[in-house]
Amino acid sequence: SYELTQPPSVSVSPGQTARITCSGDALPKKYAYWYQQKSGQAPVLVIYEDTKRPSGIPERFSGSSSGTMATLTISGAQAEDEADYYCYSTDTGGNDRRMFGGGTKVTVL
Amino acid sequence: EVQLVESGGGLVQPGGSLRLSCEASGFTLSSYEMNWVRQAPGKGLEWISYISSSGGTKYYADSVKGRFTISRDNAKNSVFLQMNSLRAEDTAIYFCARESKAEGFDYWGQGTLVTVSS
Repeated sequence: SYELTQPPSVSVSPGQTARITCSGDALPKKYAYWYQQKSGQAPVLVIYEDTKRPSGIPERFSGSSSGTMATLTISGAQAEDEADYYCYSTDTGGNDRRMFGGGTKVTVL
Repeated sequence: EVQLVESGGGLVQPGGSLRLSCEASGFTLSSYEMNWVRQAPGKGLEWISYISSSGGTKYYADSVKGRFTISRDNAKNSVFLQMNSLRAEDTAIYFCARESKAEGFDYWGQGTLVTVSS
């Protein structure tokens, strides 16, 4: 079955850059989406269609994709960015094959 | 303001049934595809079901196929998830999420907790 693979955790110092990767065989043909989820809250969309940022999302969040890997970058991480981050995409087999990555816990310390 | 409010969660015994509702406001529900996503305690997000804007197309994750049924009533601004033959592993917070063509799951509800236990 199709899977999206993320590292379980990433640590970053305040003001530094955090990069979260998401690997999947269909990513060369399918968009990646990124969601931020803080403890006890619903997920929030931070990047869509690989690189686009919804209104209201700070510019320090950016996305990129190359080959089978999509990357979420937090430039100048702040304490408030500490959260779980999930990538999401679909398989090339059809729109019924939708999945999230396992999630990455970002710690700002 | 776009709002999604889930309800219907609770404690149910293994093998039992539950019907979740997601009430939408602040937008025209009939213009959007909708999804259900769940999150087991301490675990990650799991997509479980999709329904097209008209209700004519439905998809399910393998983990719930044959047991769960998604439906919608655009006139009542609501989306539903009928859950049958519930198992302990179905214990989770269930979120409904609006799907935008470009932006993916752009709005989420706060979720409703389903606990399957004897």
